Amino acid sequence: KAGVTQTPRYLIKTRGQQVTLSCSPISGHRSVSWYQQTPGQGLQFLFEYFSETQRNKGNFPGRFSGRQFSNSRSEMNVSTLELGDSALYLCASSFTSGLRGDTQYFGPGTRLTVL
Amino acid sequence: TQLLEQSPQFLSIQEGENLTVYCNSSSVFSSLQWYRQEPGEGPVLLVTVVTGGEVKKLKRLTFQFGDARKDSSLHITAAQPGDTGLYLCAGPNQAGTALIFGKGTTLSVSS
Repeated sequence: KAGVTQTPRYLIKTRGQQVTLSCSPISGHRSVSWYQQTPGQGLQFLFEYFSETQRNKGNFPGRFSGRQFSNSRSEMNVSTLELGDSALYLCASSFTSGLRGDTQYFGPGTRLTVL
Repeated sequence: TQLLEQSPQFLSIQEGENLTVYCNSSSVFSSLQWYRQEPGEGPVLLVTVVTGGEVKKLKRLTFQFGDARKDSSLHITAAQPGDTGLYLCAGPNQAGTALIFGKGTTLSVSS
């Protein structure tokens, strides 16, 4: 079966702009989680969606937001981009919840560069 | 704040050598997971350990969860170039609302 897909794979933006990233989970998976990966901080949890509802949220400012559609596809949005937002953004899907022991399958990520 | 500290940060070895990487915390975790991430890809789950003292084997990889569930180790026997990658440990926070990752161990195995 097809894996988790993320679009776009690479993105370059300038400070102050906003960006929307997309994630298509594995068919049948209802949970989507988003993570930010940087060399300095490693992988950090952003939020988790299940059945179109945000179930959990990490310690990130309100500029980071997301949503999930009825087909389980998810988008995350970052407004008023800052240089420090440059990172690899990963999404992961699972049947119920990657936070409760369910296996998470990660996509290849979107590499965001903020200039 | 729960933290997972991984050591060493970098490891460069020759094919055929054995190695161990560590994942430590001052907090108790209900479970710990180990992932491997290769360049340009997302992490791939290798194993989940749940019971204190548990040992799991995956071919040449042996995973151990500490008795107190505060630490874990990954031992690779006879490393191969295909083992090259970033090894990450992760566990749920106490509230079960977020997955905490260590910063990882970058392993390079040369032939």
